[in-house]
Amino acid sequence: GQQVMQIPQYQHVQEGEDFTTYCNSSTTLSNIQWYKQRPGGHPVFLIQLVKSGEVKKQKRLTFQFGEAKKNSSLHITATQTTDVGTYFCAGPHSGYALNFGKGTSLLVTP
Amino acid sequence: KAGVTQTPRYLIKTRGQQVTLSCSPISGHRSVSWYQQTPGQGLQFLFEYFSETQRNKGNFPGRFSGRQFSNSRSEMNVSTLELGDSALYLCASSLGTGRSETQYFGPGTRLLVL
Repeated sequence: GQQVMQIPQYQHVQEGEDFTTYCNSSTTLSNIQWYKQRPGGHPVFLIQLVKSGEVKKQKRLTFQFGEAKKNSSLHITATQTTDVGTYFCAGPHSGYALNFGKGTSLLVTP
Repeated sequence: KAGVTQTPRYLIKTRGQQVTLSCSPISGHRSVSWYQQTPGQGLQFLFEYFSETQRNKGNFPGRFSGRQFSNSRSEMNVSTLELGDSALYLCASSLGTGRSETQYFGPGTRLLVL
């Protein structure tokens, strides 16, 4: 079945460094969504990408959707301690459900 | 607008017991999905309900079941609990059902099975 893979599983950076997480799907996706889960919290929707090659920015966060619509990335410029958490990508599953990657846990030390 | 609420927030059960978790979606949202989150497996889809009908089901045993009421509130039930059922159970609501719907998650119910 369709799988959504994320790498890396963990990332530890110093505050101010950049961070990137990658998401790869075994099948073409109609769209991809990104969520953030703070420690002890629940996933919160960040953004949805729909078009091939789409790039969207939210302040220091840049999201990209690959040309083939099978991969995506999230890049954070100049990380801050508030960026700590786990970032999930999710693609629609054949049965209308969202198929989540296992997430990338980001730790930022001051 | 109030967010998704889940009750109870924490639960301790013993093996063999059953448990019922409740989820109230955002007002106006008609779709409710349930996920199991564990450190090793991440977020795994359990099932989705829309207009009181189960639209899709993940790869979980029949011990896991759910239902949705006419007011869109949903419950999930786990019978004959096993140690491996210890997890954070998350409910998410969305306006409709479809591949582009944003999921709004509740705070979750943390279940510990002893």
